[in-house]
Amino acid sequence: DVKVTQSSRYLVKRTGEKVFLECVQDMDHENMFWYRQDPGLGLRLIYFSYDVKMKEKGDIPEGYSVSREKKERFSLILESASTNQTSMYLCASSFRVYEQYFGPGTRLTVT
Amino acid sequence: SQQGEEDPQALSIQEGENATMNCSYKTSINNLQWYRQNSGRGLVHLILIRSNEREKHSGRLRVTLDTSKKSSSLLITASRAADTASYFCATDSGGGADGLTFGKGTHLIIQP
Repeated sequence: DVKVTQSSRYLVKRTGEKVFLECVQDMDHENMFWYRQDPGLGLRLIYFSYDVKMKEKGDIPEGYSVSREKKERFSLILESASTNQTSMYLCASSFRVYEQYFGPGTRLTVT
Repeated sequence: SQQGEEDPQALSIQEGENATMNCSYKTSINNLQWYRQNSGRGLVHLILIRSNEREKHSGRLRVTLDTSKKSSSLLITASRAADTASYFCATDSGGGADGLTFGKGTHLIIQP
């Protein structure tokens, strides 16, 4: 059974903190993605990676960075968390651009 | 950029009825996919239809694609309470590993 796991289901951080969200997939997929989901806005792509150490900006990369040191792991980093980064963060992986497998999501609250 | 737009935003029907959701998009696509999201969870892939296909079936799901109108519909037949979820269409324009572009979703409620 395919699996994408995210390090936390719920996270509360303070403004200005550095936040790491981790995602691990066990399907040997080349592609990994980070989205954020907000009410009324749907899912928006933050960053994606199509290979180890490769990264591409999505639609809303500002305030975020990513790291992919190993094929199975894709980390999203909030360098200095702000309240407008309070959101649900979803990680996904895929073989090519087709069917994406999603993790359960991390609901981040920045206070 | 937000490509897909689902319609309606919310839909409530009785168990056993059919549910139809629509998706419109703006630019040419390679594939269109539908995903389901149960409350507070990740998304689950339902079905993919390629730009050269017009209709596809999977169990109780039927998807149509009209590239001339840049629209797709998802039909769920004989709905069940477990079908209560949000449904999203997602498009890709091909050409590599770009992420999908999702619509804002239709929230479907199946009344028992």
